[in-house]
Amino acid sequence: DAGVTQSPTHLIKTRGQQVTLRCSPISGHKSVSWYQQVLGQGPQFIFQYYEKEERGRGNFPDRFSARQFPNYSSELNVNALLLGDSALYLCASSSEGREGLFDTQYFGPGTRLTVL
Amino acid sequence: DAKTTQPNSMESNEEEPVHLPCNHSTISGTDYIHWYRQLPSQGPEYVIHGLTSNVNNRMASLAIAEDRKSSTLILHRATLRDAAVYYCSFRPLVFGKGTRLSVIA
Repeated sequence: DAGVTQSPTHLIKTRGQQVTLRCSPISGHKSVSWYQQVLGQGPQFIFQYYEKEERGRGNFPDRFSARQFPNYSSELNVNALLLGDSALYLCASSSEGREGLFDTQYFGPGTRLTVL
Repeated sequence: DAKTTQPNSMESNEEEPVHLPCNHSTISGTDYIHWYRQLPSQGPEYVIHGLTSNVNNRMASLAIAEDRKSSTLILHRATLRDAAVYYCSFRPLVFGKGTRLSVIA
C-alpha cells in the first residue's frame, strides 16, 4: 500500500509570495494533519482535518490555511511568505480524527520550503 | 500543557541495548503514550504506543512507569539504522524536541 505522499518535494519562493502544498493520505484514512518542522526542532502542529472539517488548529497566523477534499487529500496554503516560514512541512494521516485519543500518525516525507 | 522532557542526545554502541527516557508529568489518565522516530531526511515514523502496560513490538519495547509520569523506549539491540531523533508524545499532535540517538559501530 502506498504511504502518505506529498508534493512538491522541494520549493523555493521569495518573500511575499504564496505557496500551496499538497498531501495524499493513506488509502482509507480520513484525517490529515499538517506540521511545520524548523531545523533542529520537533514538528509543530498547524492543522488537523477530518472528513473535510477542521478539527484543530495550532498557534499559527491566519496566513496559514488548509482544506481537505472529498477524496481526503489536502492542501496547505501559506500567503505573504516570510523568511521564517522556511521549514520542512509534514503531512500526516490517521484513520480517525479524535485528538487526544489513540490516533497514530503516519507521516509523509515532507516538502522542504525555502523562502528567500 | 502537553510538554514532554527528553535528553537532547544519547549515544550507544552497536548491538547494545538503548534506553531512551521521557518525562510526561502532566499526562492524563486517558492519554496514550506514543513514540516516533525521524531518520535523516525523512518524516517521522511510528514506533510504539501504550496506555498503562508495558508493550512490545518488532521495533522496540515501551516501559511505562506505574504513575505514568514517565516512560522508556527500549531498543534491544541498537543498529546503525536506528540512528535517528526519537520523540515521545502523549498527545498525538504534540511533539517536543526529541532525543538524537547516535549509534557507534
